[in-house]
Amino acid sequence: EAQVTQNPRYLITVTGKKLTVTCSQNMNHEYMSWYRQDPGLGLRQIYYSMNVEVTDKGDVPEGYKVSRKEKRNFPLILESPSPNQTSLYFCASSLAASGGAGGELFFGEGSRLTVL
Amino acid sequence: EDKVVQSPLSLVVHEGDTVTLNCSYEVTNFRSLLWYKQEKKAPTFLFMLTSSGIEKKSGRLSSILDKKELFSILNITATQTGDSAIYLCAVELNTGFQKLVFGTGTRLLVSP
Repeated sequence: EAQVTQNPRYLITVTGKKLTVTCSQNMNHEYMSWYRQDPGLGLRQIYYSMNVEVTDKGDVPEGYKVSRKEKRNFPLILESPSPNQTSLYFCASSLAASGGAGGELFFGEGSRLTVL
Repeated sequence: EDKVVQSPLSLVVHEGDTVTLNCSYEVTNFRSLLWYKQEKKAPTFLFMLTSSGIEKKSGRLSSILDKKELFSILNITATQTGDSAIYLCAVELNTGFQKLVFGTGTRLLVSP
């Protein structure tokens, strides 16, 4: 089954304790992206990757890091989480890094993170 | 600044009603407009619109784009409780990569 898989789905952590949210897709997609979703603000892009070893900042990258060592995986790293990073996080992928062709993003099921 | 605005923010209707959700945008470099449905988890794709005036249809859902007036509508006829969800509108920008700007969504509740 074609899917984007995120883990963990739910996490409560404390300020400053490094954590990684994993994301894996099995569709051989070039493009992967991380979003956070907050009430009243919609989905905002954190980082994206157009292919292996190619990553760039989205609209709200502060406090996050990513890596793309393999095509299927795109982990999101919070080196020193703070309470303002409490949010619902989505990983997404699509076939064409340049967009347009299809345009459809496939989303993971979300990771709800709470930082105390 | 690129902006996508959805209205209404939330809506409660009775089963069987017809609803219209609105999405207006102001962006620098438009490529396409997409609609997603978000139930309790991941947003799922509904439509992609690139040309004005051409209706896209899937069952009871339909959508149309007006590139002159910079808006799109999503219609749902004969609503069912399973249509209860947040409906997200996103505009894809014509950049060198797939950049989407999302609206905040319309929360639809269909009561039995």
